[in-house]
Amino acid sequence: KQEVTQIPAALSVPEGENLVLNCSFTDSAIYNLQWFRQDPGKGLTSLLLIQSSQREQTSGRLNASLDKSSGRSTLYIAASQPGDSATYLCAVWRGSQGNLIFGKGTKLSVKP
Amino acid sequence: GEEVAQTPKHLVRGEGQKAKLYCAPIKGHSYVFWYQQVLKNEFKFLISFQNENVFDETGMPKERFSAKCLPNSPCSLEIQATKLEDSAVYFCASSQGQGPIYEQYFGPGTRLTVT
Repeated sequence: KQEVTQIPAALSVPEGENLVLNCSFTDSAIYNLQWFRQDPGKGLTSLLLIQSSQREQTSGRLNASLDKSSGRSTLYIAASQPGDSATYLCAVWRGSQGNLIFGKGTKLSVKP
Repeated sequence: GEEVAQTPKHLVRGEGQKAKLYCAPIKGHSYVFWYQQVLKNEFKFLISFQNENVFDETGMPKERFSAKCLPNSPCSLEIQATKLEDSAVYFCASSQGQGPIYEQYFGPGTRLTVT
């Protein structure tokens, strides 16, 4: 059974700092991994989608890497801003059906 | 539309009452997924549709939950005889196709409170 774990559960950093969020999964036979952002009381915003054949994806100040063999993904946020404060969730595809299995998220707070 | 739309935003039901939630996927997306988010960010997959056909319902509690996606209508998720533990945010997502290259786009969710 696939399990997704995110560490740390919460993170507080000063503005401008570079930071790394971690996601690990127990079954390396994944099809893709998706990083989301969730603001309080809001839905999920897709940030990056990494296919199982890819090693990383970049979008602006965000870079996500994937190491299937070790069951890990990291989300790197460069030059963090207060507007980056949110909960970040990673999710992997379950089998070939397309349902996502989510981690419990990392709540990020960027202090001005 | 360009976004997944969900209604209502909030829904309050007394225990035992029926609750019905709606989802309009992004135009042109043929796959719809329902997820339940309970406390501490625990997401649980409920059911998915390919157009009006059930694609995967392995996460659905069969006794009280049902869902439909009919042509030219929003998709719906219905809970008969709600229980306190059904209190959660219910998210709908849609994607253009079925396969790992297709991102799932999420709606804003419906917060269901059962009292």
